[in-house]
Amino acid sequence: SQQGEEDPQALSIQEGENATMNCSYKTSINNLQWYRQNSGRGLVHLILIRSNEREKHSGRLRVTLDTSKKSSSLLITASRAADTASYFCATALNQAGTALIFGKGTTLSVSS
Amino acid sequence: DVKVTQSSRYLVKRTGEKVFLECVQDMDHENMFWYRQDPGLGLRLIYFSYDVKMKEKGDIPEGYSVSREKKERFSLILESASTNQTSMYLCASSRHRNTEAFFGQGTRLTVV
Repeated sequence: SQQGEEDPQALSIQEGENATMNCSYKTSINNLQWYRQNSGRGLVHLILIRSNEREKHSGRLRVTLDTSKKSSSLLITASRAADTASYFCATALNQAGTALIFGKGTTLSVSS
Repeated sequence: DVKVTQSSRYLVKRTGEKVFLECVQDMDHENMFWYRQDPGLGLRLIYFSYDVKMKEKGDIPEGYSVSREKKERFSLILESASTNQTSMYLCASSRHRNTEAFFGQGTRLTVV
């Protein structure tokens, strides 16, 4: 059951540009989280946005959540080569006995 | 800092072998998870545990079992390894069910 789907699958930009990734999901959520994965490594948590929040910032990251459209976006401003990684959204459902469900990810390449 | 440690970075096993993947976390987290990650499929949940000796099936439990005898340790067992279980395996833990997950570095398992 793939709850979240990221879009686009791949994104290539130049350093200094902004990168926007989108995530759509299917059922109501408790919260939505974004993670980053450098090549061949584990995932690192970036930011969590609760279902009653609409926007959240953390450094160069800005996350929005639209529960009516069941979608979220992650904006990375002023991208750097070090931002090159895969980015995943994960949804936490309201149901007991469930775990975080991840999407397939967006691969971001930032060239200098 | 939370640390989640997986016992091996790389593992090569033969078809039919019984394989144990070990995961240890040092932050007294209630919840632990096993995911597998394959190109184009993202992260898929195999099993998770919300307490010692408790386990819940994820989306793809077939061919796997788990053990959680102590709070800090969550083991994934491949009863009889098959080539279609060649994958990257990621362990994670979280304090509560819907909170931030911390990941290990991953185990890349190859079954030949």
